[in-house]
Order: sequence, then structure tokens, then C-alpha cells
Amino acid sequence: DIQMTQSPSTLSASVGDRVTITCRASQSISSWLAWYQQKPGKAPKLLIYKASGLESGVPSRFSGSGSGTEFTLTISSLQPEDFATYYCQQYNNYWAFGQGTKVEIK
Amino acid sequence: QLQLQESGPGLVKPSETLSLTCSVSGGSISSSSYYWGWFRQPPGKGLKWIGSFYSGSTYYNSSLKSRVTVSVDTSKNQFSLKLISVTAADTAVYFCARVGEMSTGGGGIWGQGTLVTVSS
Repeated sequence: DIQMTQSPSTLSASVGDRVTITCRASQSISSWLAWYQQKPGKAPKLLIYKASGLESGVPSRFSGSGSGTEFTLTISSLQPEDFATYYCQQYNNYWAFGQGTKVEIK
Repeated sequence: QLQLQESGPGLVKPSETLSLTCSVSGGSISSSSYYWGWFRQPPGKGLKWIGSFYSGSTYYNSSLKSRVTVSVDTSKNQFSLKLISVTAADTAVYFCARVGEMSTGGGGIWGQGTLVTVSS
């Protein structure tokens, strides 16, 4: 099974900050990686697919990059509505998630 | 606009069977372009894939494979989850989802989720 590891587990940031979250796969997954945002009590929302594809309706301050085993999600200027937990998900071999990164208010 | 809604009992006794249904509106699960499936999230924990289907084939998480069945009813535009021999470890919010387009993974949409508690 492919293991996904995110860092950091928690990130404290302020509105307007540039935020970067890293996701590493235990083996190469090419570009078969998605990023989700989840707010408390809500379903996950797809932000990025195929490592860098911006899902329709998602603000352009969100971007993804990487291939192989290392990936990043960047929020260029953190907004109040962006405080949430973010998950990476590989879909090269079935589906598996990272443990999540909570972005909290500094 | 595509919407998914989970339904089923919120409380299941240990050793019994958990059964949930996902009703889809605004789109057809018969679409050959998308994977559909089930995920779960124990309270305060992360997300886990349970099982999916695409173009007549089903796929299961190896850690749950012996206990899980995902079935499809295209006439009702619904798909279902059955998990047998449940324990407290199966307590979680269960989500159904259009997982993603088969060639890109885009277009993923999830239902709101339903909490299932395993307790006597």
C-alpha cells in the first residue's frame, strides 16, 4: 500500500500569509495527487487534482505542484475562510490520504 | 448540479451489519467517466477510502475487503455500502462521493456525510 505523509501536522498563520503544505508518497505516484480542504462538520472539498489542476470554482490563490513522491499545496495569501484542515490524496493505486494538516489562526 | 445524500441507521450494534445508501441527483451514476465510492472518518481522525466502482468493476480497501460490499442500483441512481461484523472501530462519519473523473481525477464531489455509531 502507498503511504502518504503530510507536514506539518499543524500550521499557525495569519491572514495574508503565504502558506505551504508538503505531502510525500512512499513510492512514485506520478502526478496522481489531489488536495482537499475540510472544515469542521463538513465534507471534504476538492481543491487540486492531478497535482496542479485547479478544480472549477476554487480561488486562484490555491496552487499545487510536484510529481513522483513530493508535492506541495500553496495558498498565496491566506484568507479567513481558508482556516481548515487540508488532506492530500493519492490515486495512483486506489486511494489513500495523508494524515491532514490543520491550518489555524496565529 | 450534482448532489449526493447518504442515508441509513445512525446506530448499529456490534457484530451486526452496517448498511448505507447514497442517493444521487443532478447526474447519473451510470456515467462511464467517473469513479464513485465510499469513504469514512472516525471522530477527530483522518479520511479513509472504503471502496469504489467504475464501469462495472468494484475496488475495495484491502484492510476492509473481507467485510465490505459496494453495490449499484442504476434504476434508482443509488449505490450502497454494506459492512458486516462491525465493531466500535467502525464508528465514523461515512461519506459517499463522486470520486473523480477517470482520466484526470477532477470533478470530485462528496455528500455531507452521516455519522454511524457502533454501540450496544
